[in-house]
Amino acid sequence: DAGVTQSPTHLIKTRGQQVTLRCSPKSGHDTVSWYQQALGQGPQFIFQYYEEEERQRGNFPDRFSGHQFPNYSSELNVNALLLGDSALYLCASSSGTGSLTGNTIYFGEGSWLTVV
Amino acid sequence: DAKTTQPPSMDCAEGRAANLPCNHSTISGNEYVYWYRQIHSQGPQYIIHGLKNNETNEMASLIITEDRKSSTLILPHATLRDTAVYYCIVRVGVKTSGSRLTFGEGTQLTVNP
Repeated sequence: DAGVTQSPTHLIKTRGQQVTLRCSPKSGHDTVSWYQQALGQGPQFIFQYYEEEERQRGNFPDRFSGHQFPNYSSELNVNALLLGDSALYLCASSSGTGSLTGNTIYFGEGSWLTVV
Repeated sequence: DAKTTQPPSMDCAEGRAANLPCNHSTISGNEYVYWYRQIHSQGPQYIIHGLKNNETNEMASLIITEDRKSSTLILPHATLRDTAVYYCIVRVGVKTSGSRLTFGEGTQLTVNP
């Protein structure tokens, strides 16, 4: 049973460029969220996708956008990269059709983005 | 989601129990307590969660006080590989929009040989 998988694991981009990160959720999961983790800090919620729509969004500018595909996989796009966008980007998946009890959220290993 | 307070760091001897405290005095009745840990440069790993009853799994035990204002994560026999940042998070178990987690600073647990 594959867990949450992300690609690429590491990448380097130049200021002003655009980047796309990819995530495949854990088998059986239909909800994907993205987090940004700067060095030395805890992960910060960017947004969540369920049924191919953005359902919740954290305090991130419109340069951050996403997409969810019919197979539940997801992409995170960041435009006009800034040096401050350098971080570990984490994808998390869960089941949105679970019960009202606490559903477990699983994380991938992340994509390290360095902006130079 | 309720705010949590954790000590910034703790040490534990290998083989001994590690008891990590968490205060969540403003927790609501429908909020769950979750614990995750993050080993350096890896994604957060789910450990355990609970609502009001104590919980145990193969990784750890979660003890929640009767008033639910605090909890303790117990690693019964800590190993060097348990060295990580441990995050205590409280959140509502929402059916379709419940994958948002608010991470605090966490506790850096160092297991010493």
